Amino acid sequence: QVQLVQSGAEVKKPGASVKVFCKASGYSFTNYYIHWVRQAPGQGLEWMGKINPSGGYTSYSQNFQDRVTITTDVSTSTVYMELNSLRSEDTAVYYCARAKSPRGTSCVYWGQGTLVTVSS
Amino acid sequence: QSVLTQPPSVSAAPGQKVTISCSGSISNIGNNYVFWYQQLPGTAPKLLIYDNNLRPSGIPDRFSGSKSGTSATLGVTGLQTGDEADYYCGTWDSSLSLVVFGGGTKLTVL
Repeated sequence: QVQLVQSGAEVKKPGASVKVFCKASGYSFTNYYIHWVRQAPGQGLEWMGKINPSGGYTSYSQNFQDRVTITTDVSTSTVYMELNSLRSEDTAVYYCARAKSPRGTSCVYWGQGTLVTVSS
Repeated sequence: QSVLTQPPSVSAAPGQKVTISCSGSISNIGNNYVFWYQQLPGTAPKLLIYDNNLRPSGIPDRFSGSKSGTSATLGVTGLQTGDEADYYCGTWDSSLSLVVFGGGTKLTVL
C-alpha cells in the first residue's frame, strides 16, 4: 500500500533552517508529483510547492520568497523540503502528499505531518 | 485572506443535506479542476472530490461536487456525526502559478 512517512517534530530558533523528509513506498516513486502543504495552528492549508521526482522539476509558491527548496533522492524514494530563515510564523504542521494522477494537483496520499516549532 | 472564498461554518441536523460553496475567479476555478478535502481534528486532509465531481475509491456517494463558472460546491447528504470536520476547496491558479485553497468551512452536525 502507498505510504508516506515523514521525519519527526523539530524545534528551531528564528533565523535557522529546517529540513523535513518524506519517504515514499508502495508505488513507482518517479511516476507521481509530491506536494508540500503546511498548516499553522488553528489555520487553513497553505501550498508550498511540488516536485516531479522524475527529473527533479520543481514549482514553488512565491509566498515563500525563495526560502523553500524541495529536492528528491530517487535511490531512497525520499523527498526533502528545506525552509530557511525561519520565523515564528513558520510554526506549523508540514505535510507531504502524493498527487492522485501523475502530474495532478489534488493529493490522495498524505504523510502524517511534521510539526515544526520556531521559538527563541 | 484566502484566494478562494468559503463560508466559515455550516450546520445541519443528522440525516439532512448541506452544501458548502467555494468562490474564485477565472484564473483558478474558472479554468482549472477543483478538489475538496475533509480534515478531521488532528489528522491529515483526506481527498473527497477531485476533477470537480469525481470521488476517489472508498468515498461514499453521499459526497458530491459540482462546478459552475468561477464557483464550486460540495454537497453532503445523509449527514452523520462523523462528518463533523473542516472542509477545504482547492485548485490551481494559472495567474499565481500555485495551488490555492479556501479558508476552510467547519461543518457541525447538530
